[in-house]
Amino acid sequence: DADVTQTPRNRITKTGKRIMLECSQTKGHDRMYWYRQDPGLGLRLIYYSFDVKDINKGEISDGYSVSRQAQAKFSLSLESAIPNQTALYFCATSDPDRAEAFFGQGTRLTVV
Amino acid sequence: QKEVEQDPGPLSVPEGAIVSLNCTYSNSAFQYFMWYRQYSRKGPELLMYTYSSGNKEDGRFTAQVDKSSKYISLFIRDSQPSDSATYLCAMKIYSGGGADGLTFGKGTHLIIQP
Repeated sequence: DADVTQTPRNRITKTGKRIMLECSQTKGHDRMYWYRQDPGLGLRLIYYSFDVKDINKGEISDGYSVSRQAQAKFSLSLESAIPNQTALYFCATSDPDRAEAFFGQGTRLTVV
Repeated sequence: QKEVEQDPGPLSVPEGAIVSLNCTYSNSAFQYFMWYRQYSRKGPELLMYTYSSGNKEDGRFTAQVDKSSKYISLFIRDSQPSDSATYLCAMKIYSGGGADGLTFGKGTHLIIQP
């Protein structure tokens, strides 16, 4: 089983709909992240969390919200999806004593 | 100017060649440097992690960091078709509990021709 699991893997939704992407991890890491990947733009940080009570905005948080339900679970919500939120979304985890991050397999989201 | 610059390619080389992938950066506060490999429709997979200037070798892969020039490289020896992927450089500032997250280059698409 993957250490970082994202659901769903693919999703098509309509403009204006609320959608939630979920992430769970078995690595035991305190830190969790949501990134977005767009062609030609690379990976950009949306939100990150140091622990259940500590949530922080990243580079591109507008239009998104997150919830850290437990050490192992971190969800990303789009309250009212718009077409330019069509992208590949990745969840990642890291150990606070290490710099590298470990990524899930991604969720391909299409907003029509 | 973007914080991390990386040529998107594509870079196409014959099997067995030595591949050189590079990134430049502008923020001298970056202290940690990583290379990720990403296959199509998959998540980034950590290849190499370095902290200081110098070289680090792991099998066919060598990561090189030159902090004075703000330049990092990844070398792949004896390249194989299975190395065909997008390679992402990533960097991090040590913040001691402050701002977190990695800053990525846009990725270089590498094609190894059999």
